[in-house]
Amino acid sequence: DIQMTQSPSSLSASLGDRVTITCRASQSISNYVNWYQKKPGKAPKLLIYAASRLYRGFPSRFSGSGSGTDFSLTIRGLQPEDVATYYCQQSYSSLLSFGGGTKVEI
Amino acid sequence: QVRLVQSGAEVKKPGASLKVSCEASGYTFTKYAVIWVREAPGQGLEWMAWISVDNNNTHYGQRFQDRLTVTTDTSTNTAYMELRSLTSDDTAMYYCAREGSCSSTSCYAYWGQGTLVTVSS
Repeated sequence: DIQMTQSPSSLSASLGDRVTITCRASQSISNYVNWYQKKPGKAPKLLIYAASRLYRGFPSRFSGSGSGTDFSLTIRGLQPEDVATYYCQQSYSSLLSFGGGTKVEI
Repeated sequence: QVRLVQSGAEVKKPGASLKVSCEASGYTFTKYAVIWVREAPGQGLEWMAWISVDNNNTHYGQRFQDRLTVTTDTSTNTAYMELRSLTSDDTAMYYCAREGSCSSTSCYAYWGQGTLVTVSS
């Protein structure tokens, strides 16, 4: 199975800060990484797909990058509504897997 | 619009079985795979299973291989997740999700509202 190791597990930043979350896969997975935003009591929302493509409805302050084993999600100019837990997920293998999540607080 | 509507909250006793439904609408049900994911209290998202609706091909997470079955009913556009031999560790919110159109990769853009399952004696 492919393991997705996400870091940090939590972070606290100030409004307007740039925040970066990283995700490392246990083997090369090309660009088969998605990122989800999860708020308490709500279903996850697809944020980034294919490592770097912003899904509709999300502002351009969110961006994703990476290929192979190392991936990152960046929020440029953190806003109050960005408080959430963010998860990476690999879809390279038919046995899907998520990272452990990063809780972002202000 | 695409909608996935899950069955309501459940309370189960240890050792019992659970069956959650996920009724799809707004698209051709057989065109897209469905996955099941859960979130236990204080834990992260955990992928459980994947099912191809057109041919019923399935993949299961290793932790669930022996006691999880996912199925679909194309006559009612409904996906099902059945988990057996429940323990308190199965207390969680359970979600279904549908594949999105994400270039050449797979992504899950549409999610049900979640079904809260509590396992308690």
